[in-house]
Amino acid sequence: SQELEQSPQSLIVQEGKNLTINCTSSKTLYGLYWYKQKYGEGLIFLMMLQKGGEEKSHEKITAKLDEKKQQSSLHITASQPSHAGIYLCGADDGGYQKVTFGTGTKLQVIP
Amino acid sequence: SAVISQKPSRDICQRGTSLTIQCQVDSQVTMMFWYRQQPGQSLTLIATANQGSEATYESGFVIDKFPISRPNLTFSTLTVSNMSPEDSSIYLCSVEGGGYEQYFGPGTRLTVT
Repeated sequence: SQELEQSPQSLIVQEGKNLTINCTSSKTLYGLYWYKQKYGEGLIFLMMLQKGGEEKSHEKITAKLDEKKQQSSLHITASQPSHAGIYLCGADDGGYQKVTFGTGTKLQVIP
Repeated sequence: SAVISQKPSRDICQRGTSLTIQCQVDSQVTMMFWYRQQPGQSLTLIATANQGSEATYESGFVIDKFPISRPNLTFSTLTVSNMSPEDSSIYLCSVEGGGYEQYFGPGTRLTVT
């Protein structure tokens, strides 16, 4: 089965700083999702990457999938308190839209 | 995008009882998914529910413990049976969207005492 490892597990940054979260897969990724979860709430879809080398942006959040399609990074520029939450990467299992989730990264942004 | 609602939003239940969680979508979808998120953990897929057929369960989850109904293309229920404190989790339903996107409901926070 596919396993996704996220790093770091948790992150505390000062408002205005940039940060990066990594997601590494044990297998080649068919598709890679990024979600944000506010503590104890549902998941907010951020973006999905499918092609090697693909990069997408949503407001101040940019995600990239490497050429080998086994690693993705999520970068937040000029972080704000509203960015705080748990970021989860998820892997499409190959066409059935079942998502295997990573271990999660808890982000705190200090004003 | 799909708008998904879940009921109840949270509940506190006694050991040995059962709870049925409802998931309603504002559009017709073929596939619905149920996930569990234990405290401090990531999400784990419980089962996939297609309308008109029995749900498909992931390893470690069985129908007797987590019976699922899918009576139509906009609704599904998940029952957590004979609950124990280990079942305390957030339960989320999700649906497929166009273009491989997946949308999640707000979740049901279950505490078993």
